[in-house]
Amino acid sequence: DQQVKQNSPSLSVQEGRISILNCDYTNSMFDYFLWYKKYPAEGPTFLISISSIKDKNEDGRFTVFLNKSAKHLSLHIVPSQPGDSAVYFCAASRNTGNQFYFGTGTSLTVIP
Amino acid sequence: KAGVTQTPRYLIKTRGQQVTLSCSPISGHRSVSWYQQTPGQGLQFLFEYFSETQRNKGNFPGRFSGRQFSNSRSEMNVSTLELGDSALYLCASSFGGFNQPQHFGDGTRLSIL
Repeated sequence: DQQVKQNSPSLSVQEGRISILNCDYTNSMFDYFLWYKKYPAEGPTFLISISSIKDKNEDGRFTVFLNKSAKHLSLHIVPSQPGDSAVYFCAASRNTGNQFYFGTGTSLTVIP
Repeated sequence: KAGVTQTPRYLIKTRGQQVTLSCSPISGHRSVSWYQQTPGQGLQFLFEYFSETQRNKGNFPGRFSGRQFSNSRSEMNVSTLELGDSALYLCASSFGGFNQPQHFGDGTRLSIL
């Protein structure tokens, strides 16, 4: 049972424009959400996280939005750069444990 | 600051064999989690160890096991290997508290012939 879903396997964006990656979850007990970026032949790199007590968190070009009622989160990258081309995973966990549930990833291509 | 180190990076085994993978966490991190990544399946959680105890376990058969040592280093063992065990195995470490990000190693690519 996939509790965290990324329904878009791939996304292409022009350099300088906004990239929006989406993630949906089914478990209402999740209260901590993260985004990771993964380059080929490397492990995932932590990007940004958000707690369920917030609806927005920013870190430089990266902003994560959380809509708890819709069980939806998104990652905005502005402006997009060619170096952002990678696979992005969203993940979620509950405050009762340290087990993370990952989506299947979205491959972002930023076109120069 | 050194990151999470996984050894070996690549491994080729045949069906029926067993394999042991190693993970050295970031210094100070006491939690180590293991994940299996296969094409189209994302990262599937195997188990988490904290202070030498298995704290969480995913839905994998008993052929998959692990342990953690007093220095927080962890090993994962897979016995009676099957073709379907071919995957990238990732290790992640954290301080172990809740609502803290995990930091990943570059993984071990296991191929079963």
